[in-house]
Amino acid sequence: AQSVTQLDSQVPVFEEAPVELRCNYSSSVSVYLFWYVQYPNQGLQLLLKYLSGSTLVESINGFEAEFNKSQTSFHLRKPSVHISDTAEYFCAVSEAGGFKTIFGAGTRLFVKA
Amino acid sequence: DAMVIQNPRYQVTQFGKPVTLSCSQTLNHNVMYWYQQKSSQAPKLLFHYYDKDFNNEADTPDNFQSRRPNTSFCFLDIRSPGLGDAAMYLCATSRDLLAGEETQYFGPGTRLLVL
Repeated sequence: AQSVTQLDSQVPVFEEAPVELRCNYSSSVSVYLFWYVQYPNQGLQLLLKYLSGSTLVESINGFEAEFNKSQTSFHLRKPSVHISDTAEYFCAVSEAGGFKTIFGAGTRLFVKA
Repeated sequence: DAMVIQNPRYQVTQFGKPVTLSCSQTLNHNVMYWYQQKSSQAPKLLFHYYDKDFNNEADTPDNFQSRRPNTSFCFLDIRSPGLGDAAMYLCATSRDLLAGEETQYFGPGTRLLVL
């Protein structure tokens, strides 16, 4: 069975500092990987996803994540965060050929001025 | 804007009193999902509809039911809410069930409080 572990429940960081939100997964088959973001009072929305091809995927607002099959990880990074990046970030995995997506418990990112 | 709407945003009910949560979508997606999310936990899939076909997760309690009268609307019925059912309920849609690749689109959630 699949599972997702987000290693940090909260990550405080100063504005313009780099950040990494960690995600590890377990699965016995090929997977697709997702990061969703939830801004205050809004629904989850897709930030980026890995389906195949290049293991480094990027979002339009400067986040990137790298699929590392050997370490079963999909960590999310941004070199310089803004106050507006304050949100909860959810890592998720689905099995290739399946339909169900399993979510992690989320990481709250607090960006301080 | 095409979106997923959940009403109400907050719902208070009494122990044992049936309650219905609503979800509507303007995306014309085939699939609708209901998740339960308790504090500091991952969203947990309760069931999903692929068009009119209903798929229940094996560990979803019988107390939870769902209806999808048309493409746009989906309801979550909790027949006899217990204190342990207090949670955020998330509705989501996806265009299809394409072998795990599909992006899901979420509503803002309904927070249920059981007194």
